[in-house]
Amino acid sequence: DAGVIQSPRHEVTEMGQEVTLRCKPISGHDYLFWYRQTMMRGLELLIYFNNNVPIDDSGMPEDRFSAKMPNASFSTLKIQPSEPRDSAVYFCASSWTGGVPEAFFGQGTRLTVV
Amino acid sequence: EDKVVQSPLSLVVHEGDTVTLNCSYEVTNFRSLLWYKQEKKAPTFLFMLTSSGIEKKSGRLSSILDKKELSSILNITATQTGDSAIYLCAVRNAGGTSYGKLTFGQGTILTVHP
Repeated sequence: DAGVIQSPRHEVTEMGQEVTLRCKPISGHDYLFWYRQTMMRGLELLIYFNNNVPIDDSGMPEDRFSAKMPNASFSTLKIQPSEPRDSAVYFCASSWTGGVPEAFFGQGTRLTVV
Repeated sequence: EDKVVQSPLSLVVHEGDTVTLNCSYEVTNFRSLLWYKQEKKAPTFLFMLTSSGIEKKSGRLSSILDKKELSSILNITATQTGDSAIYLCAVRNAGGTSYGKLTFGQGTILTVHP
């Protein structure tokens, strides 16, 4: 398996624009996590899914953020409208209940909002 | 709300030194504690701990869990410059509406000078 795949790897956008981050989890994994990493706040859990269903979205900072998982092999995190304070590295991770429960991370999307 | 606190936040040592990184946690239903190493890109898995007092080792790295004290330590002996990284601690929730939730601490930035 190619691992968790995220796209794009880098995104630079202007304030007010819509941004969509994409994630393909490892095949067979039933958990998918979205994290945001900054120097100030570390690795924050935004939302996680189990079997494509959102379980806990309490980490989503505000209504400008939304996430979907339409099927087991794809998830999106959308920010609309984007703001400079959203600049961070966004990671997607997946794990499997039936195996050792460590999460495997994608390479991240570095988002810069100017 | 699950919470993970790591200390120190940063640490600078010289090659050959031994370091101890600390992790304390609060979780509604504990399933496991995980350690990750993050260099320039995505976090990579080091250890998973589920039982108190059992030491996990991999080369110069070792970790132990104290469920009574709700804490864990990660030891690195004979440090090398390649150990320079962010070390992340996470807890996995085992129960109720937060089943499977994976919460990270802020991380310890370790810098090893030659």
